[in-house]
Amino acid sequence: DAKTTQPTSMDCAEGRAANLPCNHSTISGNEYVYWYRQIHSQGPQYIIHGLKNNETNEMASLIITEDRKSSTLILPHATLRDTAVYYCIVRVGSNAGGTSYGKLTFGQGTILTVHP
Amino acid sequence: EAGVTQSPTHLIKTRGQQATLRCSPISGHTSVYWYQQALGLGLQFLLWYDEGEERNRGNFPPRFSGRQFPNYSSELNVNALELEDSALYLCASSLVAGQGYTDTQYFGPGTRLTVL
Repeated sequence: DAKTTQPTSMDCAEGRAANLPCNHSTISGNEYVYWYRQIHSQGPQYIIHGLKNNETNEMASLIITEDRKSSTLILPHATLRDTAVYYCIVRVGSNAGGTSYGKLTFGQGTILTVHP
Repeated sequence: EAGVTQSPTHLIKTRGQQATLRCSPISGHTSVYWYQQALGLGLQFLLWYDEGEERNRGNFPPRFSGRQFPNYSSELNVNALELEDSALYLCASSLVAGQGYTDTQYFGPGTRLTVL
């Protein structure tokens, strides 16, 4: 799976949009961009994923650049409960096979702190 | 809809003993994944089971093993426990996606294993 680079930490004011960047310059054409978050000592929570197009759900929006080498997760109105470690993961789809098959490779992620 | 469940929540063992951790996937999911999150080491992929078969394995010694039952629940067994096995063990489940799609993994709350 392609390696991702994320800032170590970011701050955001409550009620403002939180924009979390991720670089994945070696991404392959069949690799998806996934975002998870982990609140202290809990299981990671799935947020959103995409392949080429921008995606939006009830939690967040995912903006993927046209060359697919970077993406941004947007939490439109951050709350204190959004304070967590956010992981950007690039992985192949389930039909790709190989040693990367099935697994998520987590990096260090971005510690997002939302302030009152 | 119930999410992924894991038991027990906490487990305390002594060095050399065996630990058994259990996971029930989301209803309808056939794939189960195990991850280890040790302090300072991040989330590491352990095992992937689908339809009762081991499909992929992370870089862990053979004393980490598991199985998947006909109802798709799963067990992770850790034999000859070592102090460094102390960690949060996370289970995730997914559907196996069809051609052109990807399989999103949903995580449980984890089992905290402490080895004394």
